[in-house]
Amino acid sequence: EAQVTQNPRYLITVTGKKLTVTCSQNMNHEYMSWYRQDPGLGLRQIYYSMNVEVTDKGDVPEGYKVSRKEKRNFPLILESPSPNQTSLYFCASSFLGTGYNEQFFGPGTRLTVL
Amino acid sequence: SQQGEEDPQALSIQEGENATMNCSYKTSINNLQWYRQNSGRGLVHLILIRSNEREKHSGRLRVTLDTSKKSSSLLITASRAADTASYFCATDAQLVNNAGGTSYGKLTFGQGTILTVHP
Repeated sequence: EAQVTQNPRYLITVTGKKLTVTCSQNMNHEYMSWYRQDPGLGLRQIYYSMNVEVTDKGDVPEGYKVSRKEKRNFPLILESPSPNQTSLYFCASSFLGTGYNEQFFGPGTRLTVL
Repeated sequence: SQQGEEDPQALSIQEGENATMNCSYKTSINNLQWYRQNSGRGLVHLILIRSNEREKHSGRLRVTLDTSKKSSSLLITASRAADTASYFCATDAQLVNNAGGTSYGKLTFGQGTILTVHP
C-alpha cells in the first residue's frame, strides 16, 4: 500500500531532550516536506527536500533540523525542544515539486514538550 | 504573510445542501490545491487546478479559479454528514534557490474552513 508513515504518533518529552521524528514513504517520491499545525495558524512548512541531499527552509525552520540521506526517509530533528514546539506535525511527499502534483500526507505526530 | 486564506472560517449546513468555500491568495501561482482533513488526521488531496484552468470537476466537487481576482472556490454539492471535515486550500510559490535558479518547493496552506454537515 502506498503510504507515508511517521513515528512516533504521540510523544511527550521535556525541554532540552533531543528527539527525532521519522518519516518514510514507499512511493519513490523526490519531494518531501515537514509541516506543523497549530490552532488558528493552519499548516506551516518547516523544511522541505527536493531530492537526496537537497533540503531547504520553509516558513518556520527555527529549532528544527532535517536530513535526506535516502530518498525514502526524511527525519525531523529537534536538538533542544522547547514548549513552543508543542504541535501536531505532518510529513508529506510527492513527485517533483508542488507545482505539479498532489502531496501525500502521513498520519501526524502529536508532540508535547513540557 | 498568509498566502491562502479561506472564507468562511466555519460553515454549518444540512445534509443535501451545497457547501461553498472560498480561498484568496496574494502572489502568482502555478496551481491551487484543495485538501480535506478529518479531525486530527492527515490531509487528503481532493483536487488540483492549474493557473491556466478556470473550472474543474471531480465527482461532487467543483473548483473554480479566478487568477485576476486571486481567488478560488470549492463547491461540494448534495453534501453528506461524512463530508464533515476541515478544508484547506494550498498554493505553490516559485522560489529562487541559492544557485539563482527556480524551484517549486513551497506549498502554503490557508487556515481552513471547518464544515459541519448535519444529518
